[in-house]
Amino acid sequence: GAGVSQSPSNKVTEKGKDVELRCDPISGHTALYWYRQRLGQGLEFLIYFQGNSAPDKSGLPSDRFSAERTGESVSTLTIQRTQQEDSAVYLCASSSLGLTYEQYFGPGTRLTVT
Amino acid sequence: AQSVTQLGSHVSVSEGALVLLRCNYSSSVPPYLFWYVQYPNQGLQLLLKYTTGATLVKGINGFEAEFKKSETSFHLTKPSAHMSDAAEYFCAVHNFNKFYFGSGTKLNVKP
Repeated sequence: GAGVSQSPSNKVTEKGKDVELRCDPISGHTALYWYRQRLGQGLEFLIYFQGNSAPDKSGLPSDRFSAERTGESVSTLTIQRTQQEDSAVYLCASSSLGLTYEQYFGPGTRLTVT
Repeated sequence: AQSVTQLGSHVSVSEGALVLLRCNYSSSVPPYLFWYVQYPNQGLQLLLKYTTGATLVKGINGFEAEFKKSETSFHLTKPSAHMSDAAEYFCAVHNFNKFYFGSGTKLNVKP
């Protein structure tokens, strides 16, 4: 595709429910990143994929958060038993790990936990 | 551990005035450095990047930044601010396959 896409664009869920957020990276990009951006704050690194392996999971805030990636394509971020503090915009970015290391960001998923 | 510090969460300038947004990083090795801009209700867009070579890099919309290794800085500048520059700006460092972002600086441009 032309860019990174994410779905849904908005998600409202009740506390305690599970949610799945999807990211479709740019075709051919081997690296994929998930970030969380709370209101008025900067980007918080969650997890990084190289291909379908995740060498760095250090940013996942708790064991309620998990992510997987199918090959070098779609990734899903799952939040189990959502809490109100999970409310944020979740951003996905992909990168072709060449000389530029430039990330291309998706529009984000705005998650609201009520 | 890597860190990126953006001095000033809010910067306000008059239209036509110099824009200076500060970014300092900590890194044991020279990193790759980036500035991203986020317009209201939009995703992040790359403004410019430094990887190797010339330390003064030019980006889109008239912005430029200079990598100063001795000062571990990568400040963003623009000679003359436009109203359309009002946005949030993020400095980022890439090292060891991981990106570290600063907390962002919101730029307000006054008429």
